[in-house]
Amino acid sequence: GESVGLHLPTLSVQEGDNSIINCAYSNSASDYFIWYKQESGKGPQFIIDIRSNMDKRQGQRVTVLLNKTVKHLSLQIAATQPGDSAVYFCAENILPHNNDMRFGAGTRLTVKP
Amino acid sequence: NAGVTQTPKFQVLKTGQSMTLQCAQDMNHNSMYWYRQDPGMGLRLIYYSASEGTTDKGEVPNGYNVSRLNKREFSLRLESAAPSQTSVYFCASSEGPLSGNEQFFGPGTRLTVL
Repeated sequence: GESVGLHLPTLSVQEGDNSIINCAYSNSASDYFIWYKQESGKGPQFIIDIRSNMDKRQGQRVTVLLNKTVKHLSLQIAATQPGDSAVYFCAENILPHNNDMRFGAGTRLTVKP
Repeated sequence: NAGVTQTPKFQVLKTGQSMTLQCAQDMNHNSMYWYRQDPGMGLRLIYYSASEGTTDKGEVPNGYNVSRLNKREFSLRLESAAPSQTSVYFCASSEGPLSGNEQFFGPGTRLTVL
């Protein structure tokens, strides 16, 4: 079946560097995507979202890029800080169910001081 | 505002026992959700309630039942627990459909079935 997945399970970066976390999706009908951050022992926290009619969306220190041609999603974190260490999930909205988000397996980001 | 609260935080059951996980939100949200998260995996949707009085199956509903008690509360029941249901369970809520409405998660319930 179609699913959301991630290229890299772990990512280690130096504090102050930029981080890029990638996600591949295969459901061409999905029109809405979310990135979540999950710290140890906590529930996921919304970071940023993007609709399929956009290629790029920026937030505070984060940017999401969507490439529909190759069904690829990425999360860029600028000037990565120790507090950014967490597991990051991408999720896609499985149409036509507006309340059904499918999550990828996650990437663990570790920021070295 | 407490946001989304879940009880209990931890629970150990024996195979065949039943239990109910409780979830409440104080944000006046219409939609509520139950997910499970297995080690090293993303969340999978068990059931959701788009609005008070409605419930729908998600990706992995087998072995679970839900009740949308009122607008604030959404409970998840395991009638006969199985080891395969060992997981961390998250409740979440959103003002409306997920497409365009931020979803807020509770702290989770860690369930072990022996």
